Amino acid sequence: GAVVSQHPSRVICKSGTSVKIECRSLDFQATTMFWYRQFPKQSLMLMATSNEGSKATYEQGVEKDKFLINHASLTLSTLTVTSAHPEDSSFYICSAIDRVETQYFGPGTRLLVL
Amino acid sequence: DAKTTQPPSMDCAEGRAANLPCNHSTISGNEYVYWYRQIHSQGPQYIIHGLKNNETNEMASLIITEDRKSSTLILPHATLRDTAVYYCIVRVAYGSARQLTFGSGTQLTVLP
Repeated sequence: GAVVSQHPSRVICKSGTSVKIECRSLDFQATTMFWYRQFPKQSLMLMATSNEGSKATYEQGVEKDKFLINHASLTLSTLTVTSAHPEDSSFYICSAIDRVETQYFGPGTRLLVL
Repeated sequence: DAKTTQPPSMDCAEGRAANLPCNHSTISGNEYVYWYRQIHSQGPQYIIHGLKNNETNEMASLIITEDRKSSTLILPHATLRDTAVYYCIVRVAYGSARQLTFGSGTQLTVLP
């Protein structure tokens, strides 16, 4: 199957700082990528839909000014958590859709805000 | 997207077939059944999907009932590495509603 990578795999930061997470489709082009968040013992929750060359669409309750999404190319989407706080600590997972509309997920980024 | 119902947990002996059921009684005619699994602390892994015919690939088989109201994912020879949470998701494959909505899934534990 198709491969999606994320970087970094884990990050620890101080409260108030910003963290950028990269999501790349390695062997296919993706006009649409998704960002999910998963808290311990819970299922994945969709945060936003990232479309190449246009603004992201955020789910209800997700602050667009806090979670900045940029999808500047067909293989790269970035999520920036601005002014991170301990409650933003979570497992962030991206996914990308291939040309036959199957969705493939990255390995996830574990964020810990101290 | 149609809602799915899965048992919260199942056990399976190593080397035996694991049969994971899923109910999706409100599925629409243009909705596909997708299966993903998530091994602890990893991103979900695509397994298989189908519309109405049974499907098979190198990982698993998907059996969809004729009325499409339920399906079964079959791992023919389960190994310890198949221990994971398995998600059954119903989704329109083409069109605007393209995101996946995850339920709570089935925790499959493969026992030695």
